[in-house]
Amino acid sequence: KAGVTQTPRYLIKTRGQQVTLSCSPISGHRSVSWYQQTPGQGLQFLFEYFSETQRNKGNFPGRFSGRQFSNSRSEMNVSTLELGDSALYLCASSLRGTLFVGEQFFGPGTRLTVL
Amino acid sequence: AQSVTQLDSQVPVFEEAPVELRCNYSSSVSVYLFWYVQYPNQGLQLLLKYLSGSTLVKGINGFEAEFNKSQTSFHLRKPSVHISDTAEYFCAVSRGSGGGADGLTFGKGTHLIIQP
Repeated sequence: KAGVTQTPRYLIKTRGQQVTLSCSPISGHRSVSWYQQTPGQGLQFLFEYFSETQRNKGNFPGRFSGRQFSNSRSEMNVSTLELGDSALYLCASSLRGTLFVGEQFFGPGTRLTVL
Repeated sequence: AQSVTQLDSQVPVFEEAPVELRCNYSSSVSVYLFWYVQYPNQGLQLLLKYLSGSTLVKGINGFEAEFNKSQTSFHLRKPSVHISDTAEYFCAVSRGSGGGADGLTFGKGTHLIIQP
């Protein structure tokens, strides 16, 4: 079974630009979560999508948004980029419902650098 | 809300020696507990998880962890480490609602350094 894939793997943007990151979950997984990883703040939960609906949201400004498509693929968008948005963005997928046991499978991440 | 404290940011250990990585959590509700490992330039890989039942949990690569509810701890152990175990280890909790993929709350991570 193929794992979680994220594209692109590396991205360089300048302040003020916007960026879109993509995540394809494991086949059959309907939940996708996004995390930001930085040296200073560590791993922080951004949001979670299930069946094209945002179910949970972390403490991030409205510049961070996402969506999920009918095939469970998800995109994350960051508008008006700031230097502090430089980070590794990780996507994780999981099953949901009666079989759900709280386990998330992570992709390799997208390394975003804002100049 | 939950929180996780990993008491050691860095743990150096000689090869073939035992190791324990400490994790304490705080939560007002029941939780699920996890340990993840991250190798350089890679995503996170699940080592083991505690959902319910036996408090001693065995995972991949010879790791195990013990859930201690009274001490709110979930320490990770390995009896004999190898050079390949050099990585960042993260303890995480999620709300044990059993009903959905709530976000994971992570500790700051422990860098395990294996010395030959």
